[in-house]
Amino acid sequence: GAGVSQTPSNKVTEKGKYVELRCDPISGHTALYWYRQSLGQGPEFLIYFQGTGAADDSGLPNDRFFAVRPEGSVSTLKIQRTERGDSAVYLCASSLTLGQNTEAFFGQGTRLTVV
Amino acid sequence: GESVGLHLPTLSVQEGDNSIINCAYSNSASDYFIWYKQESGKGPQFIIDIRSNMDKRQGQRVTVLLNKTVKHLSLQIAATQPGDSAVYFCAETGPSYNTDKLIFGTGTRLQVFP
Repeated sequence: GAGVSQTPSNKVTEKGKYVELRCDPISGHTALYWYRQSLGQGPEFLIYFQGTGAADDSGLPNDRFFAVRPEGSVSTLKIQRTERGDSAVYLCASSLTLGQNTEAFFGQGTRLTVV
Repeated sequence: GESVGLHLPTLSVQEGDNSIINCAYSNSASDYFIWYKQESGKGPQFIIDIRSNMDKRQGQRVTVLLNKTVKHLSLQIAATQPGDSAVYFCAETGPSYNTDKLIFGTGTRLQVFP
């Protein structure tokens, strides 16, 4: 079956603009995660959803970042007033549920470049 | 795709040799650890995991060792192949059995030469 799909794969935007990054999880997966990966670094946790609700958004760096998952499937990460420091690869992952022995499957990421 | 980890520690091995990748984790209360493989332009891919009540776990060609005393994790790859070339990350979770928030290490680039 299809894996986690992220669109677009690449996004170039001007400083100050608004962007939306989309994640389509694996069908039936109730848990969805967003991570951010800067060049030369490991992924950093941003937020995760269980169903429609954000169970933990403690990794969102500031109030310019927001994520939604209105129907418990597709999620959108929204970044307002983008800054050059927001440039990174944004990774989405999904898992069947939270809990023991629940592997998270990652998408290929969206590379965001703010110029 | 974008290269992940241009300035990462690098381990270079010859095809057929065994590889050992090390990781120091930070939280002594972490009780679940995972190794991920990340190829250029792709997301991390699960390799193997281990819980804190174990000190060793084996998979196909891979073994993970956990030393809780010194908070050290290692990944051993037997008979390394060119397809193993990638960046490898260890990740830990908090003191629960959820993989809800992974804390990744900085990664090691593995280069396999024929």
